[in-house]
Amino acid sequence: GGIITQTPKFLIGQEGQKLTLKCQQNFNHDTMYWYRQDSGKGLRLIYYSITENDLQKGDLSEGYDASREKKSSFSLTVTSAQKNEMAVFLCASSIGTFSAETLYFGSGTRLTVL
Amino acid sequence: QQQVRQSPQSLTVWEGETAILNCSYEDSTFDYFPWYWQFPRESPALLIAIRPVSNKKEDGRFTIFFNKREKKLSLHITDSQPGDSATYFCAASSGSWQLIFGSGTQLTVMP
Repeated sequence: GGIITQTPKFLIGQEGQKLTLKCQQNFNHDTMYWYRQDSGKGLRLIYYSITENDLQKGDLSEGYDASREKKSSFSLTVTSAQKNEMAVFLCASSIGTFSAETLYFGSGTRLTVL
Repeated sequence: QQQVRQSPQSLTVWEGETAILNCSYEDSTFDYFPWYWQFPRESPALLIAIRPVSNKKEDGRFTIFFNKREKKLSLHITDSQPGDSATYFCAASSGSWQLIFGSGTQLTVMP
């Protein structure tokens, strides 16, 4: 088995601040994802990466940057936090070689912007 | 534009009843349909998945029925248990790494 570790678990920021969320996985999976979960809106894809140094935009990439410098880690940056923003950011990894297979999720980072 | 739609938004059934959760999609190239469930304060986890080569996938009390012509699928949970209470997400992929999720159905099973 493996585990996906997201840090921090809780993140409080100020409007306009640049915030970075980190994710580590020890599954040795090639593909990693960042999803945003808002109440009542399901999971929306921000960025994904199919290998080290690869970055692919999802439908919600505007306002975010991502970085995959190592196979085991994938970070997400909120470039300018929006006032009153509240969401859970979920990191996931997948073994899928050619397409999305089973996604394994981390426990999430809960963002609150004051 | 929402590519994967789920209904109802919330559903309450009694213990022992069959819960039926619905999902529809627009993109005819979708070829992989997993269902994830999420318990309160936990992360989503894969429950069951189907590919269009078959129109039914069963795993214990959980069954997916798939209708390719109508672009619809449903998750049936027979003999529902209180421990099944969770939010269920239908998702879809078209041979790529992008997995598109619906907005979820919150299921409550009353004892």
